[in-house]
Amino acid sequence: GENVEQHPSTLSVQEGDSAVIKCTYSDSASNYFPWYKQELGKRPQLIIDIRSNVGEKKDQRIAVTLNKTAKHFSLHITETQPEDSAVYFCAATSNDYKLSFGAGTTVTVRA
Amino acid sequence: DTAVSQTPKYLVTQMGNDKSIKCEQNLGHDTMYWYKQDSKKFLKIMFSYNNKELIINETVPNRFSPKSPDKAHLNLHINSLELGDSAVYFCASSQGGWTGLAKNIQYFGAGTRLSVL
Repeated sequence: GENVEQHPSTLSVQEGDSAVIKCTYSDSASNYFPWYKQELGKRPQLIIDIRSNVGEKKDQRIAVTLNKTAKHFSLHITETQPEDSAVYFCAATSNDYKLSFGAGTTVTVRA
Repeated sequence: DTAVSQTPKYLVTQMGNDKSIKCEQNLGHDTMYWYKQDSKKFLKIMFSYNNKELIINETVPNRFSPKSPDKAHLNLHINSLELGDSAVYFCASSQGGWTGLAKNIQYFGAGTRLSVL
């Protein structure tokens, strides 16, 4: 089955700086890679996703890049703000049903 | 209107008891899921139903039994609760469908925090 590894497990950044979270996956058949954000005590919510036919996708201050050859994908948050503090999960799937999640990255934005 | 709603939000119970968590989605989705999130925040898929049919059944003790009376509902019944069952349980739903152009965003419920004493 798919195995997704996510690094770092915790990330502390100064407000206004960038944050980068990296994930690797094992199943070369995986073709859908969503990122979820979970604020403290809340539900996970999709913030951005990318499919394997695209190398990069951007939505305002967040972007995701995918390297299929190396089987890794990354989330980039620019100009971080306090409301970006949350746990971020990457995930991968080859069949659109069973999402395999990474272990999560706790991001803390220091004011 | 809440898209994916689960009840109860909190559940505190004694070891050995049997409890149920209910989930309903009003998005018209075909697929529903149950996830367990432990104290380390790891999200693990437990079950998935597509149009009332079980399609994912991970290695979960058979004390856990999902039931889908229709495609808008997926309930989780847990028998003989153990201390290790304490976690937050999330229900989710997605449109379903195979790979390709179909977007398959999973929408999560607010979670049920289960505490077994």
